[in-house]
Amino acid sequence: EAGVTQFPSHSVIEKGQTVTLRCDPISGHDNLYWYRRVMGKEIKFLLHFVKESKQDESGMPNNRFLAERTGGTYSTLKVQPAELEDSGVYFCASSRAALLAGAASTDTQYFGPGTRLTVL
Amino acid sequence: QKEVEQDPGPLSVPEGAIVSLNCTYSNSAFQYFMWYRQYSRKGPELLMYTYSSGNKEDGRFTAQVDKSSKYISLFIRDSQPSDSATYLCAMGSLQWGFQNFVFGPGTRLSVLP
Repeated sequence: EAGVTQFPSHSVIEKGQTVTLRCDPISGHDNLYWYRRVMGKEIKFLLHFVKESKQDESGMPNNRFLAERTGGTYSTLKVQPAELEDSGVYFCASSRAALLAGAASTDTQYFGPGTRLTVL
Repeated sequence: QKEVEQDPGPLSVPEGAIVSLNCTYSNSAFQYFMWYRQYSRKGPELLMYTYSSGNKEDGRFTAQVDKSSKYISLFIRDSQPSDSATYLCAMGSLQWGFQNFVFGPGTRLSVLP
């Protein structure tokens, strides 16, 4: 079974440019999550999809970030325009059942390798 | 004060040792406690998932949660060089969904052969 894949693995752009990150979850996983880790900080939750619907986008930092999951398969995260503080590693994860769905949930969450974004 | 505190290490132990990794937290509403392992240039891998207090064991790994002390631990028995990685704790509350789902900064562990 293929794991969660992310593309590109590394992106270097200039401030003001646009970048689109892609995540392909494990087949059959309805739940897809985006996280990011900026330099020197902890991993932070960005948003959660259930199929094509945004279940929780409370972690999105501002309206320069747009996430989509058309058709409930792969997801994209667009940053437009990129700022210096957006540099970091962006992780995608997927799970069959929703993490934090309840006390009985034992389904696990699988992370992709991350996309390292550098904004110059 | 950060919501989740975790000693960044690095922590070096000889092969076969028992490793104790810990996190403290300040938010008494946290109900879910996770431990992730992250190898260099890889994404985190969920190791243990615990709800509320108590212990959970999976092979060489044991997770403990002490909500009264706001303290969680991950024990690794018979540690192996392949256990060398960064270990992240994370915690959250079903009440708030992911809004307050918080990761610790991670502890870097090296198991020396």
